[in-house]
Amino acid sequence: EIVLTQSPGTLSLSPGERATLSCRASQTVSSRYLAWYQQKPGQAPRLFMYGASSRATDIPDRFSGSGSGTDFTLTISRLEPEDFAVYYCQQYGSSPPTFGQGTNLEIK
Amino acid sequence: EVQLVESGGGLVQPGGSLTLSCEASGFTVSNTYMSWVRQAPGKGLEWVAVAYTGGRTYYADSVKGRFTISRDNSKNTLYLQMNSLTTEDTAVYYCARECLRDGNFYFFFDLWGRGTLVTVSS
Repeated sequence: EIVLTQSPGTLSLSPGERATLSCRASQTVSSRYLAWYQQKPGQAPRLFMYGASSRATDIPDRFSGSGSGTDFTLTISRLEPEDFAVYYCQQYGSSPPTFGQGTNLEIK
Repeated sequence: EVQLVESGGGLVQPGGSLTLSCEASGFTVSNTYMSWVRQAPGKGLEWVAVAYTGGRTYYADSVKGRFTISRDNSKNTLYLQMNSLTTEDTAVYYCARECLRDGNFYFFFDLWGRGTLVTVSS
């Protein structure tokens, strides 16, 4: 199975700053089949991005995704207070689908 | 409203069994690919099982032979029967809907329930 490694484990930033989250795969993720989820404490994950760079419904355009092959990035151009949460990447190009261990985006 | 509501979690002893339910509203589970995903306390997400349309099912190696995913179309409900539970199965269990785009299902999830906690402990 494909192992996804997210970095950094924790990212401490202030509102208004730019955030860059990385997701690296142990093998090529076919067809850029990579998704990103946001999870807040006590809540279910919420789909934010799919196909590496397509935003899900109602996701603001300050969120963008990029990458291909084994290296993918989620960028938040200007952090808002509601963006601080844990973010997970997930590949769905190979079975079984697998998730990264998460990046905790916290307020500095 | 489109939503998923899980139930059936609780405390169970090692070696025991439990059945989780996930009731859907606003859409029909019978023509949707549905999965269970779990999250151990303080840990990341782990996909557990999927039920495709037409009856096919597929499991993570960690639960194969112990867990069974099924659905009752008349109740618009997805189930997860869990047997031979171990402490490693302690987690919040989410049911999740695969995304349908351009007539195809893709193995990522655009709708999640709030989850139900399963604790395996003596």
